[in-house]
Amino acid sequence: GAVVSQHPSRVICKSGTSVKIECRSLDFQATTMFWYRQFPKQSLMLMATSNEGSKATYEQGVEKDKFLINHASLTLSTLTVTSAHPEDSSFYICSAVLLPGYTFGSGTRLTVV
Amino acid sequence: AQKITQTQPGMFVQEKEAVTLDCTYDTSDQSYGLFWYKQPSSGEMIFLIYQGSYDEQNATEGRYSLNFQKARKSANLVISASQLGDSAMYFCAMREGQNTGGFKTIFGAGTRLFVKA
Repeated sequence: GAVVSQHPSRVICKSGTSVKIECRSLDFQATTMFWYRQFPKQSLMLMATSNEGSKATYEQGVEKDKFLINHASLTLSTLTVTSAHPEDSSFYICSAVLLPGYTFGSGTRLTVV
Repeated sequence: AQKITQTQPGMFVQEKEAVTLDCTYDTSDQSYGLFWYKQPSSGEMIFLIYQGSYDEQNATEGRYSLNFQKARKSANLVISASQLGDSAMYFCAMREGQNTGGFKTIFGAGTRLFVKA
């Protein structure tokens, strides 16, 4: 079945560095992808909606300059956490529309030290 | 205001028994979709079931059924014949339209289900 491949699954980085997370749709084209953030034992919070060939739509309170989203092709969306700080440590997960619902990547656990 | 409310942070159920996970929602849209997802400890999100706002029949998928009560704005998940592998976090979600013409999906806080042997 249709799958979204998300890499890396885990990453540890130093404060001040940038981290790129990739989300690829396999076997289908994803014109729209969604990026979520999940804190431990909490729900998924929508960060932004990524649209192929256009600017991402960010949710209120999400810093677009800090969380850069690029959706340059129908099968790839990337989230770059720039100048990462420990408070950016979280579980990031992407999803793509697969009617009637969505299919999710396996998530990326980011730890900023 | 909470758009999706899951009032049960944790639930216990005996193996082979049925369990109902509660979900209420709030929207002024006429067209919306309701979902349930399962998130095991591995973190992946697994789609379980979908109910469209115009669907008259309650959705069913194997052991999962969605008790959709539109007037009460509730979309409870019923898991029949619970199995140990059902132990996980369960999220209720709603997709609704946006003023920009797109749509987005928001998630409830989740219910952690523990299945006892």
